[in-house]
Amino acid sequence: DAGVIQSPRHEVTEMGQEVTLRCKPISGHNSLFWYRQTMMRGLELLIYFNNNVPIDDSGMPEDRFSAKMPNASFSTLKIQPSEPRDSAVYFCASSPGSFTQYFGPGTRLTVL
Amino acid sequence: KQEVTQIPAALSVPEGENLVLNCSFTDSAIYNLQWFRQDPGKGLTSLLLIQSSQREQTSGRLNASLDKSSGRSTLYIAASQPGDSATYLCAVRLSFVNSGYELNFGKGTSLLVTP
Repeated sequence: DAGVIQSPRHEVTEMGQEVTLRCKPISGHNSLFWYRQTMMRGLELLIYFNNNVPIDDSGMPEDRFSAKMPNASFSTLKIQPSEPRDSAVYFCASSPGSFTQYFGPGTRLTVL
Repeated sequence: KQEVTQIPAALSVPEGENLVLNCSFTDSAIYNLQWFRQDPGKGLTSLLLIQSSQREQTSGRLNASLDKSSGRSTLYIAASQPGDSATYLCAVRLSFVNSGYELNFGKGTSLLVTP
């Protein structure tokens, strides 16, 4: 099993640009989570899906952030327009409905 | 909101030492608690999960304990090795909805084991 796949691994963009992060969960997992990690705030849950349906998006910082899961094997997190304070590592994780979440390697986003 | 605190933020020990990492949480009504390991530039790997009804879990040289009433958990690493160098995060499960769940993470303890 390839594990959770995220792309790109690194993204550098300029303020105001649109950024799209992608995630492919482990096959058969029915829950998907997006997290953001910064030195100041640690690891924060942004949104999670169950069976492709968003369950809780209360962690999404503002309307500039949106997430979709069009099918069981793909999810995107979009930031439009991006700002320097969005710079962080974004993790995707999936779960088969058991207690453990399996994390991807993360996307390091730098907004200049 | 559940607050999860990890002390110390960083720790450096010589190889072979036994060590303890601490995690505290403000709301004792948890479902379970997990310890994760994060290597630089990598994602998180689950090490141990303790259900709220359990007191401890063991895996190899790792032992995690849970005291719900006092809002504390410890991760004990025996005979530390340089390969144990990583950041260790504690996470508390808050709710269970439709087979999904949320985790509240501490900021982690960065461990360096020197040869």
